[in-house]
Order: sequence, then C-alpha cells, then structure tokens
Amino acid sequence: KAGVTQTPRYLIKTRGQQVTLSCSPISGHRSVSWYQQTPGQGLQFLFEYFSETQRNKGNFPGRFSGRQFSNSRSEMNVSTLELGDSALYLCASSSTGQGFETQYFGPGTRLLVL
Amino acid sequence: SQQGEEDPQALSIQEGENATMNCSYKTSINNLQWYRQNSGRGLVHLILIRSNEREKHSGRLRVTLDTSKKSSSLLITASRAADTASYFCATDATAGNKLTFGGGTRVLVKP
Repeated sequence: KAGVTQTPRYLIKTRGQQVTLSCSPISGHRSVSWYQQTPGQGLQFLFEYFSETQRNKGNFPGRFSGRQFSNSRSEMNVSTLELGDSALYLCASSSTGQGFETQYFGPGTRLLVL
Repeated sequence: SQQGEEDPQALSIQEGENATMNCSYKTSINNLQWYRQNSGRGLVHLILIRSNEREKHSGRLRVTLDTSKKSSSLLITASRAADTASYFCATDATAGNKLTFGGGTRVLVKP
C-alpha cells in the first residue's frame, strides 16, 4: 500500500495570507489526524477527522480548520497567517475507529511564514 | 504542559552500545506509543504498549510500562549509526481525545 502523502512539501507565505494543506491517507484508513511541530512547542495535536466528521480537536485558535472528504482525503486550512504558524505540519492516518492506535505519518509540509 | 515528558533530552553513544530513554506521563492511559523521527521528517511508529501490558519487544527494541509510576522506557540494544534520530513517546489518555506527544529524546549514535 502507498503511504500517507502530503502536498505541498514546502510552502512560503506572508503574514495575513491563508494556506491549505492536503493529506491523502493510506488506502482504507478512515481516521486522519493533523499535528503541528515547532522547536518551541514540540508536537501538538490539531484535530482528527473520521468519516468526514471532526471527532477531536486540540487547543488551537479558530484560524486553524480542516475537513475530510468522502474518500478520506483531508485538508487543513490556516487563515490570517502569523509568524508563529511557521512549522512542520504532519498528517497521520489510522485504520481504527476508536481511540488512537498506531498512527502512520506522512512526510509533512514545512510552512514558512514571512 | 505536555502529557509525556522525556528524559534525557539528548543522548550520545557509540555504535554497539545500548540506548535507554524514559517517558513520564500524568494521567491514566489506554496505550503508550513510541515513534522515531529522522531530521525533521515524518514520524515512524516503533511500538505500541497497552495499559495492561508491562513489557514488549520488537527486534532490538524493548519497551516497558509501569502504570503505577506513570512511566515507560525504550531500550535500543546494539545501536547503529542509522538509529540516530529523535524518539518520541505518545499517550492515548483514557479521559482524553487526542494523542499527546512528549518533547522527545535526540539520540546520536557515533560510528
């Protein structure tokens, strides 16, 4: 099976802009989670989608949003970008319908906000 | 603060030596997982241990879990240069709704 793919891999934006990141999970996986990784805060959970519904959400402002499509592909959107949004954004998929079992991570999208 | 805290933050060893890192957490968990990350890339799942398990092995990896102390350890035996990476523990809390990662341990294996 193909692994989790994320596009784009690198992105440069300026403050105030918005950005959309895409994630394609492993075939058959219905759970997709998003994480933000920064040197200062480490790995932080953004949200999780399962069967097109946001099932869990981390402590991030409303500027961070996401969605999941019927084919389980997911997108996350960050509006009104701030310098502090510069980070590696990781997507992970899982086959489980309950809890958080083994997560399969994509390579990440590195976002730089200038 | 993060659910999982890892110790040490960094570790430098010679090839062939064993590497041990620890993870402490704060609340009851369903499971605890260990992941490896090479130089800012995606994370790779290493091993999952459930709350009712005490020890688990996978190849050169040995994980222990002590729920009474809310701690886990990851042992890498006979380390190789390719084991150079950051290692993270992650907990699925029973009362939580997310997978919470620790700060990670950076391991350098010198050839």
